[in-house]
Amino acid sequence: AQSVTQPDIHITVSEGASLELRCNYSYGATPYLFWYVQSPGQGLQLLLKYFSGDTLVQGIKGFEAEFKRSQSSFNLRKPSVHWSDAAEYFCAVGWYYGGSQGNLIFGKGTKLSVKP
Amino acid sequence: KAGVTQTPRYLIKTRGQQVTLSCSPISGHRSVSWYQQTPGQGLQFLFEYFSETQRNKGNFPGRFSGRQFSNSRSEMNVSTLELGDSALYLCASSLEAGEGDYGYTFGSGTRLTVV
Repeated sequence: AQSVTQPDIHITVSEGASLELRCNYSYGATPYLFWYVQSPGQGLQLLLKYFSGDTLVQGIKGFEAEFKRSQSSFNLRKPSVHWSDAAEYFCAVGWYYGGSQGNLIFGKGTKLSVKP
Repeated sequence: KAGVTQTPRYLIKTRGQQVTLSCSPISGHRSVSWYQQTPGQGLQFLFEYFSETQRNKGNFPGRFSGRQFSNSRSEMNVSTLELGDSALYLCASSLEAGEGDYGYTFGSGTRLTVV
């Protein structure tokens, strides 16, 4: 069965420091990969997505992610974290079949705290 | 353009009651999906509707149901509420124009509390 693992439940970084959030997936083929961010009491905002092509994907708010097929990973990175980046981050996989898109499977999320 | 609109934002219900949540997708989007988010289970897929038909369903009991109207608006209903149904219910819409367009836009959710 498809699954997504985010090994870090909670990460704290200092403002201005770099960030890497880990995501591993289990899927029989190359999936569609997403990173979403959720602020408290809010819905999910799409940061970036990967379908095919260049394995380094640029997203909004200065985030990027790299797809590594050999490691089944899709890690999210940001070179310099801002206090406003404090939120919960979700990695998700999906698939496309028979001319229609399937539902998303989410990881458990990583909560990011930012120290001043 | 307007995003995905979910109403109400907050809801408090008593065990045994039923509840209906509403979702208006982005204009032109034909697919609407529902997810349940809880601290213990995380984000779990409930069901998806496309052109008024349920196309996909997650592993939830029959107390959870939904429907989609001709204008793509969707409702989900939970009957005989249990304490464990307390959650944030998220709706997501999708254009479904083709494989390259794959993706979902989420609403802000409805926070359901069952007491």
